[in-house]
Amino acid sequence: NAGVTQTPKFQVLKTGQSMTLQCAQDMNHEYMSWYRQDPGMGLRLIHYSVGAGITDQGEVPNGYNVSRSTTEDFPLRLLSAAPSQTSVYFCASSLTNQETQYFGPGTRLLVL
Amino acid sequence: AQKVTQAQTEISVVEKEDVTLDCVYETRDTTYYLFWYKQPPSGELVFLIRRNSFDEQNEISGRYSWNFQKSTSSFNFTITASQVVDSAVYFCALSEANYGGSQGNLIFGKGTKLSVKP
Repeated sequence: NAGVTQTPKFQVLKTGQSMTLQCAQDMNHEYMSWYRQDPGMGLRLIHYSVGAGITDQGEVPNGYNVSRSTTEDFPLRLLSAAPSQTSVYFCASSLTNQETQYFGPGTRLLVL
Repeated sequence: AQKVTQAQTEISVVEKEDVTLDCVYETRDTTYYLFWYKQPPSGELVFLIRRNSFDEQNEISGRYSWNFQKSTSSFNFTITASQVVDSAVYFCALSEANYGGSQGNLIFGKGTKLSVKP
């Protein structure tokens, strides 16, 4: 199993550009989530999904969209990037929302 | 409201010293889970332990041990005989099992950066 994979590893955007951060898992996990990590802030939940076709907002959802058309994939979309979205983004998955979440390697995003 | 506090921002020790990382949590739920994750300098998040609210037994795994005390809402992590490879940021996290629609969502502390010097 590859576990949780994320692409790209690093991305530079200009303000106003859009992009999609990819997340995939091959463990047949129902629960998937996106977190952002900022210095001194720990990790904060952006969006999550308890199964294909179901998504919901976390603590910091503004500026981000998600969809879950398959069990395996959970992309995170930035519609119009802002410097405040400069961060490290982690995707995670777990068998159910009551189980341990395992994290991908992260995507480092810089918005100029 | 749910909250996780890691009061120690940074800790520095010399190799072979024992070190304890503190974690205090707040929750309105009676069923919840507590976690520790390690983030080494390479940046990935490594799962260390998961403990449910009904199991207050302490746990030991090699040089790592965890002390869960519901009476003080604490879930502390001790590294015995620390090594340079233990240098990392350690995160404590909480998830609630029953509250509203947010079951399973992790609430993280801000992390404790541990530096182990040779």
